[in-house]
Amino acid sequence: DAGVIQSPRHEVTEMGQEVTLRCKPISGHDYLFWYRQTMMRGLELLIYFNNNVPIDDSGMPEDRFSAKMPNASFSTLKIQPSEPRDSAVYFCASSLPGARGIQYFGAGTRLSVL
Amino acid sequence: GQQVMQIPQYQHVQEGEDFTTYCNSSTTLSNIQWYKQRPGGHPVFLIQLVKSGEVKKQKRLTFQFGEAKKNSSLHITATQTTDVGTYFCAMGAGSYQLTFGKGTKLSVIP
Repeated sequence: DAGVIQSPRHEVTEMGQEVTLRCKPISGHDYLFWYRQTMMRGLELLIYFNNNVPIDDSGMPEDRFSAKMPNASFSTLKIQPSEPRDSAVYFCASSLPGARGIQYFGAGTRLSVL
Repeated sequence: GQQVMQIPQYQHVQEGEDFTTYCNSSTTLSNIQWYKQRPGGHPVFLIQLVKSGEVKKQKRLTFQFGEAKKNSSLHITATQTTDVGTYFCAMGAGSYQLTFGKGTKLSVIP
C-alpha cells in the first residue's frame, strides 16, 4: 500500500486566498484525522471522520476552516480566507478499526501564508 | 479537555548515552502510544501499551506503562545518531481519538 497520500507537499499563498489541502487515506481505513503542527502548539487535532462522517470538529480553530470527506478515499481541508497565522504543517492520518487507534500519517503539507 | 504532559522538551546527549522521556496524564488512560518524527518528516507509530505496568522492548528502546495507567516512559539505551528526532506520546481514552504530548526533541552529538 502507498500509505496516506497528501497533496500538495508545499503550498505558498498570499493572505486572503483560499487554500485546499487534500488527503487520500490508506484503503480500508475508515477513520481519518486532520492535524496541524506548529512549534508553539505542537500537534493539534483539528477534525476526524469515521466512515466519511465528521465525528469531532471541536479542534477546528474558526469558521475559516472546513473539512469534507465525500467518499472513503478522499478528504479535503479548506481554509478561506487564509491568514499568516495559519502557516503550519498540516498532517492527515488514517486508522484501521480494531487497531486500537494506531494512526498512519501522511507526509504532510507545509503551508506558508504570506 | 484531556492533556498529557511530556518532559523534557529538549534533550541533547552524547552518542552512546542513554535517553528517557516521560509522559503524565491526569486521567486514567485506555492505552498510550509512542510515535517518532524525524526532522522534516511525519510521525511514525512505534508502539502501543495497553496493560497496567506493561513493559515492551524494541531493540534499544524500552517502553513502560505505569501501574495506574496515568504515566509512561520511553528509554533509549546507548543512543545512536539514527535516534535523532522528536518522540511523542499519544494518549487514548477510549475512542479512536488521540491526544498528543508536545514531544521531546532528541539531539545526538556524535
